[in-house]
Order: sequence, then structure tokens, then C-alpha cells
Amino acid sequence: NAGVTQTPKFRILKIGQSMTLQCTQDMNHNYMYWYRQDPGMGLKLIYYSVGAGITDKGEVPNGYNVSRSTTEDFPLRLELAAPSQTSVYFCASRKPGQGTAGYTFGSGTRLTVV
Amino acid sequence: DQQVKQNSPSLSVQEGRISILNCDYTNSMFDYFLWYKKYPAEGPTFLISISSIKDKNEDGRFTVFLNKSAKHLSLHIVPSQPGDSAVYFCAASAAGTGTASKLTFGTGTRLQVTL
Repeated sequence: NAGVTQTPKFRILKIGQSMTLQCTQDMNHNYMYWYRQDPGMGLKLIYYSVGAGITDKGEVPNGYNVSRSTTEDFPLRLELAAPSQTSVYFCASRKPGQGTAGYTFGSGTRLTVV
Repeated sequence: DQQVKQNSPSLSVQEGRISILNCDYTNSMFDYFLWYKKYPAEGPTFLISISSIKDKNEDGRFTVFLNKSAKHLSLHIVPSQPGDSAVYFCAASAAGTGTASKLTFGTGTRLQVTL
């Protein structure tokens, strides 16, 4: 049981480049989330999805896009990387009915934009 | 607008003593509160939670206290162990349709348990 898998673990991007952060879960969870954590700050919600084909913005969605074509995958896309997007990104999933205590987080992707 | 606040960025406690981590919130709609523990290079892991209808929840060495009137919660770890050294995040969520149980996190408190 792998849980929530994020790839890559580390990445350095140049300003203006694009990339996709991958997130896959094998627990058949309907709900998936993307958070970012800046140094000395809490995690802030970027986007979330309540099921395949359904996504919605969180607190800090600007500069990002998501898609949810399957239950398992929830990729996060950065189209034009900016230094302000330097952060650690966490993907999480949750099964409806488990409540917020049922969140499972991935181990994170550390992104640096230079 | 920081709706969940952890005003102590760090805390150092001796092994065997009590660790008390504090958290304040401003949003009256929050009705469920959680503590997450995070080790370096890992994702947060769930530690303990409390519903707004309770004022205390205990799980082994960990106890969470909720004071709704003060909008304050605390995590007590007794006795503290070196393996408890980590960053602890307080988080909150609000019930209701459309919320998808999104979590709002505090900024974290780094706990160091010394020998």
C-alpha cells in the first residue's frame, strides 16, 4: 500500500519554465488536495478535487492549474514559473466520511525557481 | 489573514517533562481541530483531533484541550520523548456543504526534546 506518491521529490526550474508535479494515490480516495508550504508558514491550499472531473480553487490558486481525469491522479501544473512559487508542495487525499482526520499526505516536492 | 495562529515558532523541552503547544483561531465557523506532526522531508501525519462539542481528547501520551470561548486549543505531550522532536501543525476545518473538509493550517511549532 503506497498511499500518496509525489514525483519528483526535488526540482529546480528557471523563471518562465513550466512543469507538472505528479500526485497518485492508490487508496481509492475521492478527495484530493494540493497544498504549498513556504518557509516559516503553514500549509496553504492551492486546489482541491472532490472526484474525477471536478476541481476547485483553494486559497492560493494563481499561477497553477490542475486536472482530475481519474480517481488516482491529481497533477498540478505550473505554466510560467516565478520565484514566488519556490516552495514545498504537498499532495493529500481523503476518503469521504473519514473526516479531516483521514487526510493522507505525500512526502512533498521541493521546488526552487531561479 | 491568518485564521489559525501558532505564536511560538519553537519550543525546547527536556525528556520526560511535559510539552505544551498552543494554537489560537479566529474563525467561529471552525468546528473540528487537528494536530499534525511533521518530520523533515516527510509529509505531515495526523496525530490527534477534537470536535468542537468536546473540550478534551486524549490518546496515550497526547491530549488536546479546546477552549471555544477563548478560541484556543493546546496539545500536551506527557512525558516528552526525543522521538517527539518534530514540527507540529495545528489545523482546523469547518463543516458544511462545499467545504470538502478543507484544512486551514497554523504556521507550526518546532519542538525539540532534549536528553
